[in-house]
Amino acid sequence: DILMTQSPATLSVSPGERATLSCRASQSVSTNLAWYQQKPGQAPRLLIYDASTRATGIPAKFSGSGSGTDFTLTISSLQSEDFAVYYCQQHNNWPLTFGPGTKVDIK
Amino acid sequence: QVTLRESGPALVKPTQTLTLTCTFTGFSLSASGVSVSWVRQPPGKALEWLALIEWDGDKYYSTSLKTRLTISKDSSTNQVVLTMTNMDPVDTATYYCARMGIGYWAFDTWGQGTVVTVSS
Repeated sequence: DILMTQSPATLSVSPGERATLSCRASQSVSTNLAWYQQKPGQAPRLLIYDASTRATGIPAKFSGSGSGTDFTLTISSLQSEDFAVYYCQQHNNWPLTFGPGTKVDIK
Repeated sequence: QVTLRESGPALVKPTQTLTLTCTFTGFSLSASGVSVSWVRQPPGKALEWLALIEWDGDKYYSTSLKTRLTISKDSSTNQVVLTMTNMDPVDTATYYCARMGIGYWAFDTWGQGTVVTVSS
């Protein structure tokens, strides 16, 4: 199985600042990587797929980059609604696997 | 509008078999390229992918759980069923069903989840 790791585990950011989240795969997943946002008590929401393609309705403040084993999710100018947990997920190999998540909280 | 809704027991006893049903609207699981998956999340923990069934009946399972899982579909009733045998308290979690995007392997639409507690 491909092991996904995310760093940092928690990221404290002030409103209006930019957040940069990292995701690493234990082997190459090409660009077959997705990012999700999850708020307490809610189902996850797809933000990015294929490493850099925003899902329908996702604002341009969310951007993804990377390929192979190293990926980044950047959230520009954080607002209150952006404080949440973010998960990466590889969709290159079976079984599909998620990272452990990065919690973005208010500094 | 695509929607998915999970249903099943809120409480199961250890060693019992869990059966969950995902009922969906807004798409057909008979259409080429469509697939539905199950994902779970223990309290306070990360997401864990469990199983997926494709439009043509192909099935895929979590490596660690594949001996306990069975996924099936009924395209005529727009339902996907997941069974998990030999339930244990560590299986306590919110169980989600989710649709994979058409043309890409990411979960574009999720149900609201159903909480399953395993306890005697």
